[in-house]
Amino acid sequence: DIQMTQSPSSLSASVGDRVTITCRASQSITRYLNWYQQKPGRAPKLLIYAASSLQSGVPSRFSGSGSGTDFTLTISSLQPEDFATYYCQQTYNTPQTFGQGTKVEIE
Amino acid sequence: QITLKESGPALVKPTQTLTLTCTFSGFSLRTNGVGVGWIRQPPGKALEWLALIYWDDDKRYSPSLKSRLTITKDTSKNQVVLTMTNMDPVDTATYYCARRITIFEVAHFDYWGQGTLVTVSS
Repeated sequence: DIQMTQSPSSLSASVGDRVTITCRASQSITRYLNWYQQKPGRAPKLLIYAASSLQSGVPSRFSGSGSGTDFTLTISSLQPEDFATYYCQQTYNTPQTFGQGTKVEIE
Repeated sequence: QITLKESGPALVKPTQTLTLTCTFSGFSLRTNGVGVGWIRQPPGKALEWLALIYWDDDKRYSPSLKSRLTITKDTSKNQVVLTMTNMDPVDTATYYCARRITIFEVAHFDYWGQGTLVTVSS
């Protein structure tokens, strides 16, 4: 199985901050990397697919980058509704593993 | 409008078999490239990918659970069924189904059901 490791596991930030979350794969996954946002008690929501493509309807303050083994999710200016847990997922092969999550909390 | 909804028992006993149904609308599992997957999340923990069925009836399973899982589809009813045998308390989780599509050759889950909490307890 391909292991996905996110860092940090949690972070505290303020509204307006620039936030960066990283995801590292245990082997190259080229650009087969997706990012999801999950709020408590809700299903995950797709933010970014293919490493850097913004899902329809997702605000442009979210962006993704990277290829190979190292990927980044950036929130350019954190908004109150962005406090949530973020997961990366590889779909290079099965099982299509998720990272352990990064919880973004209010500072 | 695309929707998915999971249904099944909220409580199962250890060693029993769990059967979950994902009923969807707004898309067809006959469409090339489309699939439906199952993902679970134990309380307070991360997402875990379980299984996936494709439009052509190809199936993929998590290797660690493969011996316990079966995924099937009923295209006429717009349903995907997941069975998991020999349930254990560690299988307590919210179970989600989600639509899988491919863009730029990269697969992702773009629509998710609301999830159903399954508790395993005697």
